[in-house]
Amino acid sequence: KNQVEQSPQSLIILEGKNCTLQCNYTVSPFSNLRWYKQDTGRGPVSLTIMTFSENTKSNGRYTATLDADTKQSSLHITASQLSDSASYICVVSGVASGTYKYIFGTGTRLKVLA
Amino acid sequence: DVKVTQSSRYLVKRTGEKVFLECVQDMDHENMFWYRQDPGLGLRLIYFSYDVKMKEKGDIPEGYSVSREKKERFSLILESASTNQTSMYLCASGSTGQASYEQYFGPGTRLTVT
Repeated sequence: KNQVEQSPQSLIILEGKNCTLQCNYTVSPFSNLRWYKQDTGRGPVSLTIMTFSENTKSNGRYTATLDADTKQSSLHITASQLSDSASYICVVSGVASGTYKYIFGTGTRLKVLA
Repeated sequence: DVKVTQSSRYLVKRTGEKVFLECVQDMDHENMFWYRQDPGLGLRLIYFSYDVKMKEKGDIPEGYSVSREKKERFSLILESASTNQTSMYLCASGSTGQASYEQYFGPGTRLTVT
């Protein structure tokens, strides 16, 4: 069964601290993995995307890693800011029989405190 | 910048009413999607369309229908709204021409059925 599991479900950190969010998947076939940031009451916005051959991708203070062998990804946030408070969603996509599927994780809700 | 707009940010309807949710994208994307998002469940695909007048059922199509008369517009219809359809509805668009299969999301419509 195609699944994407994220941990932790929620996280509270102090401003300026680093944190790491986890994503494990069992999606096959695999095309790419994307991390989205979703502010409360808003639609998700793409942060990074990685294909099978990529191990790491950065976008400012956000760094995503991918281990395609163990089917694990992480999103590391450096020097957190209050504006990082949001839900972070891991999405794995794959193409099978000419149709592509997007499998969404349930997200990690991050709260950054002053 | 890709823009996906949804007709309403907040909507309150009564049980049994017919509800129309409209989504418009300005990037000439072939593919459009409707999702609902509920706490703890992540995004679930209701319907998607890969061309004008074409539609495919997603994972939870029951109680919903869709219409795509023009390439830029994808409508979600609740024929007879029920309280269990209270949710956040997200529209997305994307192009098969992109190797990354990027999805661009609208801001969402929070629907409450009373």
